[in-house]
Amino acid sequence: DAGVTQSPTHLIKTRGQQVTLRCSPKSGHDTVSWYQQALGQGPQFIFQYYEEEERQRGNFPDRFSGHQFPNYSSELNVNALLLGDSALYLCASSRLGGYDRELFFGEGSRLTVL
Amino acid sequence: DQQVKQNSPSLSVQEGRISILNCDYTNSMFDYFLWYKKYPAEGPTFLISISSIKDKNEDGRFTVFLNKSAKHLSLHIVPSQPGDSAVYFCAAIYAGGTSYGKLTFGQGTILTVHP
Repeated sequence: DAGVTQSPTHLIKTRGQQVTLRCSPKSGHDTVSWYQQALGQGPQFIFQYYEEEERQRGNFPDRFSGHQFPNYSSELNVNALLLGDSALYLCASSRLGGYDRELFFGEGSRLTVL
Repeated sequence: DQQVKQNSPSLSVQEGRISILNCDYTNSMFDYFLWYKKYPAEGPTFLISISSIKDKNEDGRFTVFLNKSAKHLSLHIVPSQPGDSAVYFCAAIYAGGTSYGKLTFGQGTILTVHP
């Protein structure tokens, strides 16, 4: 039973560029949440997708956008990259529209912005 | 506005002894709390949780205590093992309303268990 998978694992971009990160949820899960973890900090909630719609959003600018596909997989897009966007981006999935409070996390995508 | 705080960045413990990791929160709307463990190059993995209607939850070597009046929770690991060395995150959620899946995390505590 595959857990949450994310790609790519590492990537390097320059300021102003755009990036797309991908996530496949754990089998049987229908809800995907994205988190940003800066160095030395805890993960911060970006947004959550359920039924292909953004259901709730954290305190992140509109440069951060996402998408959920019919197979429940999800993408996180970040436009006009800033140096401060360098972080580990974690995808987490859950069941029952997120009502099941236990989140399963992927290994993350490490983004470095130069 | 750090609503969940882990004030100890690191903790060092001898194998076999007790590890106590602490967490404080400020938002009284939080009603469910979780602990996650994270190894390097891996995503956080769920460890144990507690609902605000309880004051203690135990799972093997791991026990979480919740003091609602003090807005404080702690994770006890007894006995500690070298394999427990990891970063531990406290997280909270307001399970009512529409906050499903939106965890608020603390900064994490690095636990090192020495053989």
